[in-house]
Amino acid sequence: QQPVQSPQAVILREGEDAVINCSSSKALYSVHWYRQKHGEAPVFLMILLKGGEQKGHEKISASFNEKKQQSSLYLTASQLSYSGTYFCGTVAGGTSYGKLTFGQGTILTVHP
Amino acid sequence: DTEVTQTPKHLVMGMTNKKSLKCEQHMGHRAMYWYKQKAKKPPELMFVYSYEKLSINESVPSRFSPECPNSSLLNLHLHALQPEDSALYLCASSTSRGLELSADTQYFGPGTRLTVL
Repeated sequence: QQPVQSPQAVILREGEDAVINCSSSKALYSVHWYRQKHGEAPVFLMILLKGGEQKGHEKISASFNEKKQQSSLYLTASQLSYSGTYFCGTVAGGTSYGKLTFGQGTILTVHP
Repeated sequence: DTEVTQTPKHLVMGMTNKKSLKCEQHMGHRAMYWYKQKAKKPPELMFVYSYEKLSINESVPSRFSPECPNSSLLNLHLHALQPEDSALYLCASSTSRGLELSADTQYFGPGTRLTVL
């Protein structure tokens, strides 16, 4: 079952912060975050495993709330290069291993 | 180096043609994946190969035929496709720690943009 992302779109000015949420109705084993620019491949940002861990990658970090089956991606002090579509991918417990199901995506636009 | 390469970049084919997409990685990854992505939609999993064996087929029509000749190479053979099969076809690979594919990071190639006339 596809995870649900919110919001669907975000418009920011450089330097502003954003939060993208991803929730699932299934118990999750892992959450994977990707960014895809138009016409390019999805680029891996980070992976979070069950255990409620929080990870960071430059000014981008994420958390995973195992009890709520929710993950959030935090983008701080946004840069123009952050523009793109952000996808969360989830692997639900008990499913065929390797099956990554992506949310519908959040379009992030950063203006100067 | 986290590079996955795909050829060709663009492919236009008729409904009666036979063509193949190629994916290659030299990272020593033992799991490889095919995804299909329509415009403004997320990637959708088609096939997973683990240690050169097909482990997941997401009920993909038989006009798509995957092949994994060795651990570095993944092909997708196309035959008698329909216009609705036009999409970006993405290949990905991951390390595959035995059964722990769920915890693996998948690295994507740039994709092949397929148009079926």
